[in-house]
Amino acid sequence: NAGVTQTPKFQVLKTGQSMTLQCAQDMNHNSMYWYRQDPGMGLRLIYYSASEGTTDKGEVPNGYNVSRLNKREFSLRLESAAPSQTSVYFCASSEVTETQYFGPGTRLLVL
Amino acid sequence: QKEVEQNSGPLSVPEGAIASLNCTYSDRGSQSFFWYRQYSGKSPELIMFIYSNGDKEDGRFTAQLNKASQYVSLLIRDSQPSDSATYLCAVAVSGNTPLVFGKGTRLSVIA
Repeated sequence: NAGVTQTPKFQVLKTGQSMTLQCAQDMNHNSMYWYRQDPGMGLRLIYYSASEGTTDKGEVPNGYNVSRLNKREFSLRLESAAPSQTSVYFCASSEVTETQYFGPGTRLLVL
Repeated sequence: QKEVEQNSGPLSVPEGAIASLNCTYSDRGSQSFFWYRQYSGKSPELIMFIYSNGDKEDGRFTAQLNKASQYVSLLIRDSQPSDSATYLCAVAVSGNTPLVFGKGTRLSVIA
């Protein structure tokens, strides 16, 4: 039982490049989330998916897109990376009890 | 705008002392309250959740909730250096809604 997994663990991009962050969970949770965490800013919600087939914007969605591929997988895409998107990205999942379980994170550096 | 406020710290306590971490929230409709611990470079992990007014104890940890005053706290008894981390308070208004996180309080336990 791996819980929530994320790939890659670390990525360096040049400004304007695109990439997709992958997230998968094996806990059969309905809800999945993408957060970014920056020093002094705490966790900020980018997008979430309350259930398979639905996605909603969070606090900071600009510059990102998401896909809920199936119940297990929720990906985050940066179409044209900017230095302001340098951050640590966490994926999380939960059931209706709202307790969220986090993946190990992806550290992204945009030059 | 739902807000969760925490003192950023650092909060320094000597080994063996009680550490008290506080959190206030703005939405009176909030129903579920969570404490996460995050070690440097790692992802948040759930310590406790509380739904009802009063105290909830789990080992050295006690969560306290006062809905009338809109605050929730976490007490750590017999603090250990391994408790040194950032503690995140999170609040949910209802099921399947994303948690709103505070920015966290950094705790340092001095041996």
